[in-house]
Amino acid sequence: EAQVTQNPRYLITVTGKKLTVTCSQNMNHEYMSWYRQDPGLGLRQIYYSMNVEVTDKGDVPEGYKVSRKEKRNFPLILESPSPNQTSLYFCASRRTTGMVGTEAFFGQGTRLTVV
Amino acid sequence: GQNIDQPTEMTATEGAIVQINCTYQTSGFNGLFWYQQHAGEAPTFLSYNVLDGLEEKGRFSSFLSRSKGYSYLLLKELQMKDSASYLCADNYGQNFVFGPGTRLSVLP
Repeated sequence: EAQVTQNPRYLITVTGKKLTVTCSQNMNHEYMSWYRQDPGLGLRQIYYSMNVEVTDKGDVPEGYKVSRKEKRNFPLILESPSPNQTSLYFCASRRTTGMVGTEAFFGQGTRLTVV
Repeated sequence: GQNIDQPTEMTATEGAIVQINCTYQTSGFNGLFWYQQHAGEAPTFLSYNVLDGLEEKGRFSSFLSRSKGYSYLLLKELQMKDSASYLCADNYGQNFVFGPGTRLSVLP
């Protein structure tokens, strides 16, 4: 089954304790992206990747890191989480051919709480 | 980032028709997507427009005018389960950026 898998689905952590949210897709998609969603603010892009070893900042990259060592995986790393990073996070992937792409497929979401 | 605009909230009655508008910057445009998102769940794909005109898919239709930087999603025969947020997304350059979303409430 074609899917994007995020883990964990729910996470409560303390300020300053490094964490990683994993994202994996089995569709051989070139493009992957991370978004956070907060009430009233919609989906805001954190980082995206056009292919292996190619990553770019989105609109809200501060406090986050990503890596794209393999095509299927795109982990989101919070080196020192803070309470303002409490949010619902989504990973997405899509097939792209040059400048044109297909629809994005989303993971189930990760609800992160930083206390 | 890309400037995409949608109304924040809309309300409509069961069985009615509702139109949700989206405006975007035209430079670097490569297609516009509509997604539906129920609260706390992942967005799901509804439609894609890259050429001008209307695309119909059952109760949902989407329209695009590239010269005006304008799209709308038309929902017919509204049902209670259509209560959700509707997001337009711009295939901007090689990136994929969402608008703020429109929260639709369908009332009995």
